[in-house]
Amino acid sequence: SQTIHQWPATLVQPVGSPLSLECTVEGTSNPNLYWYRQAAGRGLQLLFYSVGIGQISSEVPQNLSASRPQDRQFILSSKKLLLSDSGFYLCAWRDDLAGVDEQYFGPGTRLTVT
Amino acid sequence: SQQGEEDPQALSIQEGENATMNCSYKTSINNLQWYRQNSGRGLVHLILIRSNEREKHSGRLRVTLDTSKKSSSLLITASRAADTASYFCATEPVRDFNKFYFGSGTKLNVKP
Repeated sequence: SQTIHQWPATLVQPVGSPLSLECTVEGTSNPNLYWYRQAAGRGLQLLFYSVGIGQISSEVPQNLSASRPQDRQFILSSKKLLLSDSGFYLCAWRDDLAGVDEQYFGPGTRLTVT
Repeated sequence: SQQGEEDPQALSIQEGENATMNCSYKTSINNLQWYRQNSGRGLVHLILIRSNEREKHSGRLRVTLDTSKKSSSLLITASRAADTASYFCATEPVRDFNKFYFGSGTKLNVKP
């Protein structure tokens, strides 16, 4: 069966520090991968999605970037964090090859920028 | 923006009652999905309805879709305290295949 991992679960970082959040998926090949951010008490904002290795689409201009170095690995990064980068970051995957429309979410990373 | 909007923002009911939450969106969609989020956790997929479907059932869940009104509703029947969570709708627009846009959610509290 497929599983999705995110780490770390929580992170406290000072303003101006770099960021690297990792997401990996097991049990599937060539998934579509997504990064979302959720502000406290709000819905999810799509940040990036990827349909294949090295293919990244950015949804909104921001202080973040994403990379997909391997088929089942999706990384969210920043060179210098801002206070406004605080939030709950969720990775999700979708099995586009199987024509499945549902997304499956990881447990999330709660980032606090101080 | 394509983002769906749920209402009400919050709903408090007694165990055993039905809970209805609504979602509205702005542009034509391929499908609409409902997700559930327990506090501080990831989202869990509940049910998907395609643009050519009008109603779908899954256990105690019933989803309707009215594409002419660009709206959907999620009904949870015979609610339980364990249904307490936030519920989100997500739409995949026809013109933005592979992208999903979430609403701000309905926070449901089921009192035992």
